[in-house]
Amino acid sequence: DADVTQTPRNRITKTGKRIMLECSQTKGHDRMYWYRQDPGLGLRLIYYSFDVKDINKGEISDGYSVSRQAQAKFSLSLESAIPNQTALYFCATSETRGLGLGNNEQFFGPGTRLTVL
Amino acid sequence: GENVEQHPSTLSVQEGDSAVIKCTYSDSASNYFPWYKQELGKRPQLIIDIRSNVGEKKDQRIAVTLNKTAKHFSLHITETQPEDSAVYFCAAPQLYQKVTFGTGTKLQVIP
Repeated sequence: DADVTQTPRNRITKTGKRIMLECSQTKGHDRMYWYRQDPGLGLRLIYYSFDVKDINKGEISDGYSVSRQAQAKFSLSLESAIPNQTALYFCATSETRGLGLGNNEQFFGPGTRLTVL
Repeated sequence: GENVEQHPSTLSVQEGDSAVIKCTYSDSASNYFPWYKQELGKRPQLIIDIRSNVGEKKDQRIAVTLNKTAKHFSLHITETQPEDSAVYFCAAPQLYQKVTFGTGTKLQVIP
């Protein structure tokens, strides 16, 4: 089955370290997203990409960067991790259906639990 | 940008009772309203969605209603079962499919 995968699934690191979270998908979707989930705060958008040449900041992009290496791959980097970046991170994809207001289901990866000590 | 408020944040019901979760949104141009279910330790998955040209949609025990004038939409679960226990998120899209999620409702169904 076509799917969205994330590596690693769990990561513990120390303050100041550089961390990369990777996302791959076999759904053939052009649009990819990175979210972080914190208790009581829901899912907040970090970055999104509508194709390989397109990268956009979400509502909480400070301290993060992304790379869209191919249609199927979208990586999230923490250049210098800090403890308040401890969270559950989800990658998601959606189909492309025109440029209007979004009306497409988002398909999520299994998540990466990141702990920054 | 879009502002989505979701209530309640937690909800406990007895098995067999109904559960209702409500979301309000700010962007009157929004036209697609999905609901996602996230079981413990799992990824969010779409359970039902509604588009702005209809007022209600049902799928077995779940239904979503939409009031575009008041800018709110609700998830209704009837005859709740223990497997309905999860966190539920509403969402409203912004331009170009950037989606804003509500803060989630943790539903507990008590056997």
